[in-house]
Amino acid sequence: DSGVTQTPKHLITATGQRVTLRCSPRSGDLSVYWYQQSLDQGLQFLIQYYNGEERAKGNILERFSAQQFPDLHSELNLSSLELGDSALYFCASSALIGGGYGYTFGSGTRLTVV
Amino acid sequence: AQSVTQPDIHITVSEGASLELRCNYSYGATPYLFWYVQSPGQGLQLLLKYFSGDTLVQGIKGFEAEFKRSQSSFNLRKPSVHWSDAAEYFCAVWGGKLVFGAGTILRVKS
Repeated sequence: DSGVTQTPKHLITATGQRVTLRCSPRSGDLSVYWYQQSLDQGLQFLIQYYNGEERAKGNILERFSAQQFPDLHSELNLSSLELGDSALYFCASSALIGGGYGYTFGSGTRLTVV
Repeated sequence: AQSVTQPDIHITVSEGASLELRCNYSYGATPYLFWYVQSPGQGLQLLLKYFSGDTLVQGIKGFEAEFKRSQSSFNLRKPSVHWSDAAEYFCAVWGGKLVFGAGTILRVKS
């Protein structure tokens, strides 16, 4: 157990739908990162939050959004889902704002869009 | 922007043999470098990291990696591979955000 908790572990939904993925960071970590892992794109950085504020954006689609709540858990919202959004979504956390000492990853949410 | 290249998509090694996984990075400043391992259906686990100092770093599960600035490389090694090492290995460089290579799938044959 890495200390980073992601729910749900698996999600199957239809095209056009909206889903929410949830992440609880490791205790004491203020930064949360979201990554998408797919066969064709590999591990892609989506977005980072630090203590409730957005800090960095990567290759995140406009249909996707995220937030970090006062208790530091984070949610990734994916809307108007397409088949190509099927992937493994990871959340990671770090104590520092920059994360230069490494991230701790959760076990991921596998999203299947049918 | 930083980038990572892992030239080998798949590597097959016999159990008990030595292992070296290659990683080349591109980054303008002194890099922070990492190796992660991902078992099927699992998240990424940190094996080791390099920030500065000794260029040979030791990690968990008997892995080590050597930073070579002149070659922009950070290769992962293990002297004797066990069947449980079969997994996908990712090299990553941090330069404001963590950027991963495409990964190398390690197969271990008995």
